[in-house]
Amino acid sequence: GAGVSQSPSNKVTEKGKYVELRCDPISGHTALYWYRQSLGQGLEFLIYFQGNSAPDKSGLPSDRFSAERTGGSVSTLTIQRTQQEDSAVYLCASSLTGAGADAQYFGPGTRLTVT
Amino acid sequence: GEDVEQSLFLSVREGDSSVINCTYTDSSSTYLYWYKQEPGAGLQLLTYIFSNMDMKQDQRLTVLLNKKDKHLSLRIADTQTGDSAIYFCAVLQGGKLIFGQGTELSVKP
Repeated sequence: GAGVSQSPSNKVTEKGKYVELRCDPISGHTALYWYRQSLGQGLEFLIYFQGNSAPDKSGLPSDRFSAERTGGSVSTLTIQRTQQEDSAVYLCASSLTGAGADAQYFGPGTRLTVT
Repeated sequence: GEDVEQSLFLSVREGDSSVINCTYTDSSSTYLYWYKQEPGAGLQLLTYIFSNMDMKQDQRLTVLLNKKDKHLSLRIADTQTGDSAIYFCAVLQGGKLIFGQGTELSVKP
């Protein structure tokens, strides 16, 4: 695959449920990022993985959110006890090394709707 | 922290030039990016500029950077209806991107 892929493309869940969002970065990219896009907040950073370093979790909005990256490739963003304010498009991006000159390439996103 | 601001809307006629402006607050920002988002689609990287440059040109796109005023602009020459989209300015800070609110460009035939 040439680009970043994400699944599912759409997810509707009830308030209080658990959701899991998946991201497959571009092959060979060592840095992976999660952002979310919502009407009220715009585009906001959530978490950043670079190689084997500890992830930068400074953007996670609450302890209901967590993410992991297994084997330096695929990443999963999980949200526990979902709330209506979690409704947003969750975007994943990857870059070659995470250095500034390596641009971040985005996937198509997962649209999460919490009812 | 970094704050990135853009005007929300711009309307131009097909064939005219479009100029989308962006201001930022952190003078130590090193890489600045422009992304395009079409309806229902993800973010497409258009171009980026390093802070030691004043200008970068790529076909119809020209990026101007004024470090003194912390002002970035994207000029699209000969704007086409296919350029209608939301354009996001983004600044790299600590490895992560800080985005502006996005400028919705409307191109009228």
